Amino acid sequence: EAQVTQNPRYLITVTGKKLTVTCSQNMNHEYMSWYRQDPGLGLRQIYYSMNVEVTDKGDVPEGYKVSRKEKRNFPLILESPSPNQTSLYFCASSPRSSNQPQHFGDGTRLSIL
Amino acid sequence: KQEVTQIPAALSVPEGENLVLNCSFTDSAIYNLQWFRQDPGKGLTSLLLIQSSQREQTSGRLNASLDKSSGRSTLYIAASQPGDSATYLCAVPTGNQFYFGTGTSLTVIP
Repeated sequence: EAQVTQNPRYLITVTGKKLTVTCSQNMNHEYMSWYRQDPGLGLRQIYYSMNVEVTDKGDVPEGYKVSRKEKRNFPLILESPSPNQTSLYFCASSPRSSNQPQHFGDGTRLSIL
Repeated sequence: KQEVTQIPAALSVPEGENLVLNCSFTDSAIYNLQWFRQDPGKGLTSLLLIQSSQREQTSGRLNASLDKSSGRSTLYIAASQPGDSATYLCAVPTGNQFYFGTGTSLTVIP
């Protein structure tokens, strides 16, 4: 089954403790992206990747890192999480670019105390 | 920077009604416009993608229109059903980035 898989689905952690949210897709898609969703602000793009080893900042990249060492994986890293990063995070992929329909994971709800 | 607005923020209708959701965007240099559905606790499901060269796109009871020059799109849902209850989001790829509206929360009352 074609899918985008995020892990974990839920995480409660404390300020400053490094964490990684994994994202994997099995559709051989080149374009992958991370978003955060906050009430009243909608979905905002954090980082995106056009292909392996090619990543770029979205609208809200501060406090986040990403890497794209393999085509299927696009982890989101919070080196020193802070409470303002408490949010619902989504990973998405599309065949080649943002011009094609994106497939979304089920989301990761992150709470940072 | 692209700004995407959706009106209304929430809508409640009786079952069977036809309804229209609105999406507007500020930068008309777009490749396409996409409509998504989000159910509570779930990710987003792609509903329709309408290319910038198209004026309309249809899928079942859904019809999306696009007026690129005026920066507007509408999603028309015919004969609404309780199962249509969800949040509907429009999104606009601009360059390599993706900009979402804040969504319209739709409730269809049986």
